[in-house]
Amino acid sequence: DGGITQSPKYLFRKEGQNVTLSCEQNLNHDAMYWYRQDPGQGLRLIYYSQIVNDFQKGDIAEGYSVSREKKESFPLTVTSAQKNPTAFYLCASNGQSLGNQPQHFGDGTRLSIL
Amino acid sequence: RKEVEQDPGPFNVPEGATVAFNCTYSNSASQSFFWYRQDCRKEPKLLMSVYSSGNEDGRFTAQLNRASQYISLLIRDSKLSDSATYLCVVNGGNTPLVFGKGTRLSVIA
Repeated sequence: DGGITQSPKYLFRKEGQNVTLSCEQNLNHDAMYWYRQDPGQGLRLIYYSQIVNDFQKGDIAEGYSVSREKKESFPLTVTSAQKNPTAFYLCASNGQSLGNQPQHFGDGTRLSIL
Repeated sequence: RKEVEQDPGPFNVPEGATVAFNCTYSNSASQSFFWYRQDCRKEPKLLMSVYSSGNEDGRFTAQLNRASQYISLLIRDSKLSDSATYLCVVNGGNTPLVFGKGTRLSVIA
């Protein structure tokens, strides 16, 4: 079945540690996205990529980094510079970022600080 | 003005009730509109797209009013399983989709 796979489902970070969240899609979508959701809050865009080897900052990119070396993969690194990383992280994709297509989501990664 | 605004609720309704959610958006150039459903601690899932002429999918009806820049979602004959947060989503012209914060619905037996 086509879809978006995020791993791990739960992740714990120690102080000063970088952690990487995985996102893989087999939908042949060009555009991929990372969102952060805090309890009781809406989705906030961290980074997005319209095409391989290209990505743009979203509204809250500070403390995060991404890469897009392959069409299927868009990993997100939460760096030690992100002082409040505890949140629900969602990866999404669609055919094109500025078009009229809805986004499809992975089932998310919950990140907590140890 | 926020890009996409929704009443956060919660809306507490009895089973069988009809409930309506409204959402306003600020970008008059927006062309695409969607409603998503998000269950507690789960990812958002597409409920339906919203077309200019309005569209219906079973008990769900979505409408768009471009002049007033709002979209609506009507749920008829509410079921317990409809309890969730409903997200209004709008494309932002030169930016990716913009998500509202959602309206929480609780359907009570």
